[in-house]
Amino acid sequence: AQTVTQSQPEMSVQEAETVTLSCTYDTSESDYYLFWYKQPPSRQMILVIRQEAYKQQNATENRFSVNFQKAAKSFSLKISDSQLGDAAMYFCASFTGNQFYFGTGTSLTVIP
Amino acid sequence: SQTIHQWPATLVQPVGSPLSLECTVEGTSNPNLYWYRQAAGRGLQLLFYSVGIGQISSEVPQNLSASRPQDRQFILSSKKLLLSDSGFYLCAWKQGWGTGELFFGEGSRLTVL
Repeated sequence: AQTVTQSQPEMSVQEAETVTLSCTYDTSESDYYLFWYKQPPSRQMILVIRQEAYKQQNATENRFSVNFQKAAKSFSLKISDSQLGDAAMYFCASFTGNQFYFGTGTSLTVIP
Repeated sequence: SQTIHQWPATLVQPVGSPLSLECTVEGTSNPNLYWYRQAAGRGLQLLFYSVGIGQISSEVPQNLSASRPQDRQFILSSKKLLLSDSGFYLCAWKQGWGTGELFFGEGSRLTVL
């Protein structure tokens, strides 16, 4: 089984500033995929960004980018120019085979 | 386009009563289907997943069971609820092939009293 660890239960950021959420994972698989999901107060989980493990280039989606360090099994999420709408619970996840494995989440507060 | 519906959204049940949460996916065929539980302040715990009709894999032995009577229907059940079954239950699907994203339903809040 894979494990995904998010060591920051809570984070806060000033509006317009940058914040980085940490994630580490443990897998023996060579073929896997990594994701960041966002769960706003409305509770519907939505995908923020994904990274294929075989790609060296870090994924980016507008203000969201990742720092994928394969050897260190680290997959952090950087949110630039933070907005009030970014306030949510963020989950890191890995996928291999037919299963997704999720971390325990980081609650992000955006301070106006 | 594909959609996922999950119901009921909120449920309050006494200990020992049965449970049935239903999830349906529209706009796709042969999806992989998942049931997760999210306890307060904790992450997502995979309960069951299914890669086809009648095929159920259980990740955590417990008081719950799952069934997939139709290709796009996934049901979470219990014969007798426990207090510890309280939580937020999420149904999700992904394409049966490839490594695409997981799409989540709106969730069901279960409170067992």
